[in-house]
Amino acid sequence: AQSVTQLGSHVSVSEGALVLLRCNYSSSVPPYLFWYVQYPNQGLQLLLKYTTGATLVKGINGFEAEFKKSETSFHLTKPSAHMSDAAEYFCAVSEGGTYKYIFGTGTRLKVLA
Amino acid sequence: DAGVIQSPRHEVTEMGQEVTLRCKPISGHNSLFWYRQTMMRGLELLIYFNNNVPIDDSGMPEDRFSAKMPNASFSTLKIQPSEPRDSAVYFCASSLSSGRITGELFFGEGSRLTVL
Repeated sequence: AQSVTQLGSHVSVSEGALVLLRCNYSSSVPPYLFWYVQYPNQGLQLLLKYTTGATLVKGINGFEAEFKKSETSFHLTKPSAHMSDAAEYFCAVSEGGTYKYIFGTGTRLKVLA
Repeated sequence: DAGVIQSPRHEVTEMGQEVTLRCKPISGHNSLFWYRQTMMRGLELLIYFNNNVPIDDSGMPEDRFSAKMPNASFSTLKIQPSEPRDSAVYFCASSLSSGRITGELFFGEGSRLTVL
């Protein structure tokens, strides 16, 4: 069975500092991996996704994530945090790209001025 | 292009009442999902439709919940009778799927349900 673990339900960073949000997954078949962002009172929006190929994936708003099979991880990073990055971030896995997405419990990012 | 449209955005009702949530997916998408989001359980898949056919309803909590997709541009999620534990944000999402591969999910803004 597939699962997703997001370490840290709340993360605070200073504006301009590195953002690192952690995601580990388990999957019995090659996973499709996603990061979604949710702003208050809105639905989830796709930040980036890994399906196959290059393991370093670039997304919108300067975010990127690296698929590391040996570590079963898909951590999200951004070199320099901006106030507008404050939101909740969800990691998700889909076994083989099927409809059965499993979402993590989310990490709320706070950006300090 | 318009995104996924959900209505109502907010619904407050009393226990025992019927609740109907509505969703209009993105035109051309062939897959539709209903999710429920709560603090305790996070995001849970309730039901998945492909080409208007319910494929997986194993996440529907109980018989009080039902969902329909009469055509490619409309779906409803109904709760009858509603209970306080049904209070949550309900999201509809759509995607363009090909074979077994589900494309990116596009979410609506959600319907926040409060059952008193």
